[in-house]
Amino acid sequence: QLQLQESGPGLVKPSETLSLTCTVSGGSISSSSYYWGWIRQPPGKGLEWIGSVYYSGTTFYKPSLKSRVTISADPSKDQFSLKLNSVTAADTAVFYCARLTFGGVIDPWGQGTLVTVSS
Amino acid sequence: QSALTQPPSASGSPGQSVTISCTGTSSDIGGYNYVSWYQQHPGKAPKLLIYEVNERPSGVPNRFSGSKSGNTASLTVSGLQAGDEADYYCSSYAGSNNVVFGGGTKLTVL
Repeated sequence: QLQLQESGPGLVKPSETLSLTCTVSGGSISSSSYYWGWIRQPPGKGLEWIGSVYYSGTTFYKPSLKSRVTISADPSKDQFSLKLNSVTAADTAVFYCARLTFGGVIDPWGQGTLVTVSS
Repeated sequence: QSALTQPPSASGSPGQSVTISCTGTSSDIGGYNYVSWYQQHPGKAPKLLIYEVNERPSGVPNRFSGSKSGNTASLTVSGLQAGDEADYYCSSYAGSNNVVFGGGTKLTVL
């Protein structure tokens, strides 16, 4: 079955760029039926959709994060990536990658990876 | 694009039913039949429970049901079990391929 796995540094310094990659197995991100997205969850808090990418490279971002976020797709590797720049402690969170339908249904999810912003 | 509003907590005894509400606006819940609900146990990734207001993915018990009226969606858990104790999140399509979440509800089984 389709599985997603996040990877990347668990610690990022303030003002630097957070970079994560999601590797998809058991399927292809080149499907025309789905988007691929990132969701984050600060410790003890709720979920926040960050943005999504279509295999063609078309992207959609949460308006309040748009100026700091870049999401890209690499269909040749069945991977998609997140870059969040100018991070602060408020960006500390568990980051999940996931598959989304056009109606915003999120399934399945990766297991999540904790990224801490600290000097 | 504001977060959807959920009660922070809900509770019920085993065997009882509990309903969790999720209130949005005409730009999200009220404008589309794309409301989803997710269950999250501590330390785990969220799991899809309900999609498109009232559809259940394969494997989700029919004790979980969803509904919507106007700008408010609801999740009902019937026949509460100890394993239902978790955080529950609603989400809605908000146009232009945007997704908005609720703040989450912690369900306690007494």
